[in-house]
Amino acid sequence: EVQLVESGGALVQPGGSLRLSCAASGLTLRDQHMDWFRQAPGKGLEWVGRSRNKPNSYTTEYVASVKGRFTISRDEPKDLMYLQMNSLKTEDTAVYYCARAITADGGGDHWGQGVLVTVSS
Amino acid sequence: DIQMTQSPSTLSASVGDRVTITCRASQNINSWLAWYQQKPGKAPKLLIYKASSLENGVPSRFSGSGSGTEFTLTINSLQPDDFATYYCLQHTTYALTFGGGTKVEIK
Repeated sequence: EVQLVESGGALVQPGGSLRLSCAASGLTLRDQHMDWFRQAPGKGLEWVGRSRNKPNSYTTEYVASVKGRFTISRDEPKDLMYLQMNSLKTEDTAVYYCARAITADGGGDHWGQGVLVTVSS
Repeated sequence: DIQMTQSPSTLSASVGDRVTITCRASQNINSWLAWYQQKPGKAPKLLIYKASSLENGVPSRFSGSGSGTEFTLTINSLQPDDFATYYCLQHTTYALTFGGGTKVEIK
């Protein structure tokens, strides 16, 4: 059974930084394109960014609102994915999910349980 | 970015009803559309991919149709477990974008 688990959520002040982690069991992250999504309290879903798999050199894409502030990276030996969030704003407050990316070849089927990031003074 | 307009935003229905949710894309997305179900406090669950393909394990009362800019999710014979919020997602181009969601409530 595939399981994705996010960690690292916390309360952080505006302007601060936080790093989320995504770990997997039942699949090898380095072989997967992976996405980060978020959902602000009581709001809809938003795609945050993508990290392509190792054969695609872990290249990344981001939504405009986080470009230049958020960075997705991989730890290949540990087979982890990270979301580094800098210059956090109150509007970044949300539950953050990692998920297997949905592409023309499939995916979109495995999501983590989500982790809460609260940006507040 | 491609805008996804989902309607209705809320839908009141009874067990056994047939329910239809619509998503309209601001430009052609071919069939690169997925439908998700989300329950409170839970991660979204994939129901339909490539506009009309049923994900493994999803009951056959769920179906999707459409291509280009107009898409529908139909739930035949609504069951108690189906009361949830539904989202469409386009993945033809970056940024991926969701519809605003449709909350299916008990009438």
